[in-house]
Amino acid sequence: GAVVSQHPSWVICKSGTSVKIECRSLDFQATTMFWYRQFPKQSLMLMATSNEGSKATYEQGVEKDKFLINHASLTLSTLTVTSAHPEDSSFYICSAATGGMGTGELFFGEGSRLTVL
Amino acid sequence: AQKVTQAQTEISVVEKEDVTLDCVYETRDTTYYLFWYKQPPSGELVFLIRRNSFDEQNEISGRYSWNFQKSTSSFNFTITASQVVDSAVYFCALSEERAGGTSYGKLTFGQGTILTVHP
Repeated sequence: GAVVSQHPSWVICKSGTSVKIECRSLDFQATTMFWYRQFPKQSLMLMATSNEGSKATYEQGVEKDKFLINHASLTLSTLTVTSAHPEDSSFYICSAATGGMGTGELFFGEGSRLTVL
Repeated sequence: AQKVTQAQTEISVVEKEDVTLDCVYETRDTTYYLFWYKQPPSGELVFLIRRNSFDEQNEISGRYSWNFQKSTSSFNFTITASQVVDSAVYFCALSEERAGGTSYGKLTFGQGTILTVHP
């Protein structure tokens, strides 16, 4: 089974509402998780690096006030899309690596498809 | 800055044909990792291979094979005797390893190649 799990798999919301997506590492601890966004027929773009117990690091062009990331435990990172608008509709995928220095395995969640009406 | 280029946007083949997906990368790091992922219509990323920059040995796994050429910064992927189930989007990706290793897993993806295998 998947070792990184995302929830929900898909969500539809009204414009202006906030949506929270969870990313869990099921059988390992992840001090670092990564959030990616994929628009239809496009590639995956890194949005931010989620660090347990500290602030996330956002990629250039990603609004940190719009995409709130919380990594409160070693197995859970959450991405909250605040005041979502139709242009935020996308496929959001998280990943986590077991261990560092390239020795661990890298796992991706199943993805969460957000549709904002 | 690192960059991954998959020049082939779409490839269409007939079942049982061999097909090669190209990947060219750019990085200033001497230590890095290259990946291939398959993304079926459902969206989840299926891991295919990881290769570190010090291992230039080609690899074969069943019908899949990979050719890593550091001299040309390429990491090409070949599917032999393609099948309809191979139809998907394939991504090549690059991860740099920096001191402390915390950047491991921070991937730069290519644009993806849509592979369609017809019966």
